[in-house]
Amino acid sequence: AQSVAQPEDQVNVAEGNPLTVKCTYSVSGNPYLFWYVQYPNRGLQFLLKYITGDNLVKGSYGFEAEFNKSQTSFHLKKPSALVSDSALYFCAVRDNANQAGTALIFGKGTTLSVSS
Amino acid sequence: SQTIHQWPATLVQPVGSPLSLECTVEGTSNPNLYWYRQAAGRGLQLLFYSVGIGQISSEVPQNLSASRPQDRQFILSSKKLLLSDSGFYLCAWRSGAGGPYEQYFGPGTRLTVT
Repeated sequence: AQSVAQPEDQVNVAEGNPLTVKCTYSVSGNPYLFWYVQYPNRGLQFLLKYITGDNLVKGSYGFEAEFNKSQTSFHLKKPSALVSDSALYFCAVRDNANQAGTALIFGKGTTLSVSS
Repeated sequence: SQTIHQWPATLVQPVGSPLSLECTVEGTSNPNLYWYRQAAGRGLQLLFYSVGIGQISSEVPQNLSASRPQDRQFILSSKKLLLSDSGFYLCAWRSGAGGPYEQYFGPGTRLTVT
């Protein structure tokens, strides 16, 4: 079965420090991977994606993610956290078993809390 | 540019009442459309998706139904709401013409069933 795991419910970092939000996946075929951010009572905002090419993907708001095929991971990173980065982060993978609908399978989310 | 709208933003309905949530997309044609439910501010559950007018696929059997009467309109309905239908409902779209594969989400509807 295809799945996405976000092993940490919450990540706490101090402003200015680097942050990492972890994601691992299990999918048949090539992985198409995504990160989204959600602020309270809002829809999800697309941050970045990995489809093919460089393993380090750069996205919005200074975020980047590193694709590691051998470890089946796609961790989200930022060199210097801001208080405004505090939000709920979702990792997702394309459901390769559902080619027609191209649905996404989402992890359960990780709450990032950045303290000043 | 493309935009996605959902309404209403919030809704409080009694158990047993009907439901109609609407989602519309602007600035694109023949999108794939999706309805998700998010419970307790956490994981997203895919409810329905549609690849074209009148084409609806259900992912989870439940008290809800979906329809796509027009290319860029997606409606989530129920004849009789249950307490368990409470949650945050999100509509999303993606290009139907192959890639890119990311989905773009609307602002959501907060439904409370009392």
